[in-house]
Amino acid sequence: DIVMTQTPLSSPVTLGQPASISCRSSQSLVNGDGNTYLNWLQQRPGQPPRLLIYKISNRFSGVPDRFSGSGAGTDFTLKISRVEAEDVGVYYCMQGTQLPQTFGQGTRVEIK
Amino acid sequence: EVQLVESGGGLVKPGGSLRLSCEVSGFTFSNAWMTWVRQAPGKGLEWVGRIKRKIDGETTDYAAPVKGRFTISRDDSKDTLYLQMNSLKTEDTAVYYCVIGVGLSEFDYWGQGTLVTVSS
Repeated sequence: DIVMTQTPLSSPVTLGQPASISCRSSQSLVNGDGNTYLNWLQQRPGQPPRLLIYKISNRFSGVPDRFSGSGAGTDFTLKISRVEAEDVGVYYCMQGTQLPQTFGQGTRVEIK
Repeated sequence: EVQLVESGGGLVKPGGSLRLSCEVSGFTFSNAWMTWVRQAPGKGLEWVGRIKRKIDGETTDYAAPVKGRFTISRDDSKDTLYLQMNSLKTEDTAVYYCVIGVGLSEFDYWGQGTLVTVSS
């Protein structure tokens, strides 16, 4: 199985300041079709997860542009340009390149 | 608006069975790949399995911990996804989420989840 490792596991951030989460996979996520199936999910407290970013850097419908994804191969990053109160929650990277599809441990973003 | 509503969760004894349902609206269900993801209390996310759409063979794939015990099926006439869970273990205790892929990824929209508790 592909192991997804996120850092940090906790990220206290000041409102209006940027935040960054790293995600590393144990093997390349480049699929045979040339796509890299790396997604980012957000789970607010008491809510189900929701898709933020798909295929490394594509924002899902309704996702604010302060969220951006980047990376390639085995190293990926989610950035929040200016953290707002509604961004509090746990963020997961996940890979859909190989079965079983696997998730990172989650990074908790909280306000300082 | 795409909506997914899970039902069927509850308390069951180890070794017992339960069937979860997920009704989909706002999208042509027969065109979607469907996935089940679970989350144990206070823990992270775990992929359970998926079922492809009919034109892709309606094939299923499962995570190792549930293979042989869980069965995913779909009824396109009812816009409903199912998860039949047999031989349940205490470690299957989790919130089970139904997830739909509408063309961008396999994880485009998530249901609210249904809690399954396996305990004697």
